[in-house]
Amino acid sequence: SQQGEEDPQALSIQEGENATMNCSYKTSINNLQWYRQNSGRGLVHLILIRSNEREKHSGRLRVTLDTSKKSSSLLITASRAADTASYFCATVDMRFGAGTRLTVKP
Amino acid sequence: EAQVTQNPRYLITVTGKKLTVTCSQNMNHEYMSWYRQDPGLGLRQIYYSMNVEVTDKGDVPEGYKVSRKEKRNFPLILESPSPNQTSLYFCASSLWGPAVEKLFFGSGTQLSVL
Repeated sequence: SQQGEEDPQALSIQEGENATMNCSYKTSINNLQWYRQNSGRGLVHLILIRSNEREKHSGRLRVTLDTSKKSSSLLITASRAADTASYFCATVDMRFGAGTRLTVKP
Repeated sequence: EAQVTQNPRYLITVTGKKLTVTCSQNMNHEYMSWYRQDPGLGLRQIYYSMNVEVTDKGDVPEGYKVSRKEKRNFPLILESPSPNQTSLYFCASSLWGPAVEKLFFGSGTQLSVL
């Protein structure tokens, strides 16, 4: 089944550093979406990038999309402890991977 | 406030005792979906609905039922729960469908089947 797969599975950084996580998918897409999940809570939509876009920004978030490689990356700049969460990507049909667990240490 | 409301937040039950997890959205969304989340497996879709009276199986529908009699409600029914259905469940909705619209998630229901 079509699915976004996030990499790495876990990432630990210090506050102020940048965090980069990646997503790979298998088939053609209309758009790709990134979500955040705080421990045990519902997912919250972060950003949507369309297949004809290569880069998109929202605050401290920067998302890139490379349709030729079927991959996307999410960059969080100047991370904060409050960014500690799991991050998921999803493509058409909204199938999610296991996510990247980000820990930002104060 | 626009939201997806799930109830209950926590539920402990025994094998075989029928249960229903409710889901309601107040955004007039056409699309609704149920997911379960298990450690290491991510979110897996159980059922989804594109409109009233239209439901389709997701990736893991066995042991579950759903109904969509009204646009705002999409209950998840476990007719005879088993321990392997112990999981964290999420309801989600979007205006038209996930291919073009973001999903709004409920807060989750932690189910334990003993």
